[in-house]
Amino acid sequence: AQSVSQHNHHVILSEAASLELGCNYSYGGTVNLFWYVQYPGQHLQLLLKYFSGDPLVKGIKGFEAEFIKSKFSFNLRKPSVQWSDTAEYFCAGNSNSGYALNFGKGTSLLVTP
Amino acid sequence: NAGVMQNPRHLVRRRGQEARLRCSPMKGHSHVYWYRQLPEEGLKFMVYLQKENIIDESGMPKERFSAEFPKEGPSILRIQQVVRGDSAAYFCASGDTYEQYFGPGTRLTVT
Repeated sequence: AQSVSQHNHHVILSEAASLELGCNYSYGGTVNLFWYVQYPGQHLQLLLKYFSGDPLVKGIKGFEAEFIKSKFSFNLRKPSVQWSDTAEYFCAGNSNSGYALNFGKGTSLLVTP
Repeated sequence: NAGVMQNPRHLVRRRGQEARLRCSPMKGHSHVYWYRQLPEEGLKFMVYLQKENIIDESGMPKERFSAEFPKEGPSILRIQQVVRGDSAAYFCASGDTYEQYFGPGTRLTVT
């Protein structure tokens, strides 16, 4: 079955620390992968997406993710987090022949001053 | 540049009542997707609609839930005879396979 899983459900970091949030997928064939962010009280926003090509994808607000096919992973990274990065982060995927996004359970990130 | 609009943002219903959730897609989008987020869970796909047509409702519960997207007006997700287990955040998105834009969600609480 097609699915996406996130390893960390709650992460607490100090400002300026580096961030890596894990995401693994289970898809046969071509997969499209996404990271969404939901700031408190706001709607889901797309951080970055991967369809094909360069496995290192750069998104908004300094975030990036690397597609590693051999590990079925699409981890989200940021070298130095800010307090304003406090939010819920969701990894999601679908296939080229589909449209419904499969979401991980989300990771709640708290950045402390 | 209006994004995906959903209303109401918060909805409280008593058990047995009906809930109606509305979604207006982004301008120029004719496809709408509904997702549900239960507590401590990720978003789960419910239904995919085009104007006047349900494309895929494989994620919809078999009973009490229905969705429509009329030629004019917003898409409606309707839950009849709500139960406590229907309490969740319901998100609407518009777009396509490669990019979906989400609305702010409707948080339904069943008392």
